[in-house]
Amino acid sequence: ETGVTQTPRHLVMGMTNKKSLKCEQHLGHNAMYWYKQSAKKPLELMFVYNFKEQTENNSVPSRFSPECPNSSHLFLHLHTLQPEDSALYLCASGAGGARNSPLHFGNGTRLTVT
Amino acid sequence: DQQVKQNSPSLSVQEGRISILNCDYTNSMFDYFLWYKKYPAEGPTFLISISSIKDKNEDGRFTVFLNKSAKHLSLHIVPSQPGDSAVYFCAADSTSGTYKYIFGTGTRLKVLA
Repeated sequence: ETGVTQTPRHLVMGMTNKKSLKCEQHLGHNAMYWYKQSAKKPLELMFVYNFKEQTENNSVPSRFSPECPNSSHLFLHLHTLQPEDSALYLCASGAGGARNSPLHFGNGTRLTVT
Repeated sequence: DQQVKQNSPSLSVQEGRISILNCDYTNSMFDYFLWYKKYPAEGPTFLISISSIKDKNEDGRFTVFLNKSAKHLSLHIVPSQPGDSAVYFCAADSTSGTYKYIFGTGTRLKVLA
């Protein structure tokens, strides 16, 4: 039990499909994050939510739509994706207002867009 | 523009020797630095961190050194063990920011038995 659970672990979808990634944290944290990891690139910050409010959108295309209904749950809704969107999508949680505290990651969703 | 850089994509070290992983940053507003370890098919796991008010932090076999003037940090693992073989990411955060953690590209460490 990592404290941050992501489902599904693997997802294959066509470019016309709509799917959602789910993340749940059991650590009592106030901030939740979506990162994208592509081969040979740094983990790219996509979105940050702090106390359910989106505080960061790192110029992410609108085909990625986040949702944070409460501090424990985070979704990433996907539609009309492109093959280059294939990557590992990582969710993380953090203490938000507490300085100098690390993020805790889930095991990610490996997404393949065909 | 990459604000956090790990210029060595890979490193091989003999078991029992010291592993030194390096990281450079460009943003002088960063004041909290972290190292994560990642195994295949798993998410990154937090290893050790350091605040900019310190220049060294130690936790068992892992020590992080921070050189603020050079905007450089390093992770020392001693002695290295085969189970340390993984990808290591450094990350940085700014107290004046919106709790954004910026990551480097990672260094793949292989510890040879």
